[in-house]
Amino acid sequence: DIQMTQSPSSLSASVGDRVTITCRASQGINNHLAWFQHKPGKVPKSLIYAASSLQSGVPSKFSGSGSGTDFTLTISSLQPEDFATYYCQQYFGYPVTFGGGTKVEIK
Amino acid sequence: QVQLQESGRGLVKPSETLSLTCTVSGGSINSYYWSWIRQPAGKGLEWIGRINSSGNGNSNPSLRSRVTMSVDTPNNQFSLKLSSVTAADTAVYYCAREYYDSSGYLYVDYWGQGTLVIVSS
Repeated sequence: DIQMTQSPSSLSASVGDRVTITCRASQGINNHLAWFQHKPGKVPKSLIYAASSLQSGVPSKFSGSGSGTDFTLTISSLQPEDFATYYCQQYFGYPVTFGGGTKVEIK
Repeated sequence: QVQLQESGRGLVKPSETLSLTCTVSGGSINSYYWSWIRQPAGKGLEWIGRINSSGNGNSNPSLRSRVTMSVDTPNNQFSLKLSSVTAADTAVYYCAREYYDSSGYLYVDYWGQGTLVIVSS
């Protein structure tokens, strides 16, 4: 299985901060990487697919980049509604695998 | 807006079969793949498997011998059965929709809220 390593596992940030989360694959996955957001008790929300394509309806403050093994999710200006846990998912290899998550908390 | 809702027994005895159904609203079950994903408390997400409206799909090799998935197209539902469960199968189970990216690879674009299944006697 392809292992997905996210870092950091948690971070504290202030409203208005620029936040970057990284995801590293144990082998090359081209650009077959997705990011999603999960808030407690809520439905997980898809943000980005194909490493950098924004899912319909997702605000442009979210952006993704990377290819091969190293990927990043950036939130350009953190807002109160963005405090959540973020996960990456590779869908190149079989089976699909996920990163361990990054919890974004209020500083 | 596509919505998915899991349903099923929340408590299953060891060695029995876990059964869950996902009801899809706001869109057709045709032309997509539908998947199951789980997350034990305090642990990572695990992809269980996927199926399309024609009954084609695949499952995680780690669970394949115990997994059965099916689709009920008239009712816009799909289902998961996991046999011979143990405490290790206790988790929040999510249903999800998978869609093709421009390269023809499937990724999850819609999720259900998740349902907790506890395996205990």
